[in-house]
Amino acid sequence: QKEVEQDPGPLSVPEGAIVSLNCTYSNSAFQYFMWYRQYSRKGPELLMYTYSSGNKEDGRFTAQVDKSSKYISLFIRDSQPSDSATYLCAMRGAMNSGYSTLTFGKGTMLLVSP
Amino acid sequence: DAGVTQSPTHLIKTRGQQVTLRCSPKSGHDTVSWYQQALGQGPQFIFQYYEEEERQRGNFPDRFSGHQFPNYSSELNVNALLLGDSALYLCASSGGLAGGLMADTQYFGPGTRLTVL
Repeated sequence: QKEVEQDPGPLSVPEGAIVSLNCTYSNSAFQYFMWYRQYSRKGPELLMYTYSSGNKEDGRFTAQVDKSSKYISLFIRDSQPSDSATYLCAMRGAMNSGYSTLTFGKGTMLLVSP
Repeated sequence: DAGVTQSPTHLIKTRGQQVTLRCSPKSGHDTVSWYQQALGQGPQFIFQYYEEEERQRGNFPDRFSGHQFPNYSSELNVNALLLGDSALYLCASSGGLAGGLMADTQYFGPGTRLTVL
């Protein structure tokens, strides 16, 4: 079992739809959770960074963490064609935990059609 | 404020050759991490440099080595290239004086695409 599981997609939605992207993980040492967006042939761009269980909202994006289920989500409201990209979840443990480097999922490719 | 920069953008090498990739961190950052991203995969951690020393290393062979300079810029060297080394190599910077979560946040460069023939 990989430490971080993420459905590679592609996930195709019409413009304006609500998008739900998810990752599951197996390592309970992971405490910090991130979502990155990566356009084709570009470097990942940080979208959201959360620490505790619960929700964090930033504009059209909401990150949700459920540590008891080892499950994280990213919701995108009113999706736009410009949101078409690969979304990578990433996570790490505390700096002195032995798991302080980022572990990424494979990424989910999102396609938003006009 | 310049972000993370990497050079070159693309590189083509043949098996057995050696390659050097370069990274300049975001202004104010002192820590550089290198990742390998194969096609269709998430980035895999190679190693991290801080204060010119390798601080952590992922599961990569000794053919992968690095260096950090006093100005915090960094190089990634790969010797005896294999076909399987073809990938996007990403540099990420973090750290500095901000502290807390901001100091731990990694910002990525555009990457260097390495093709080994």
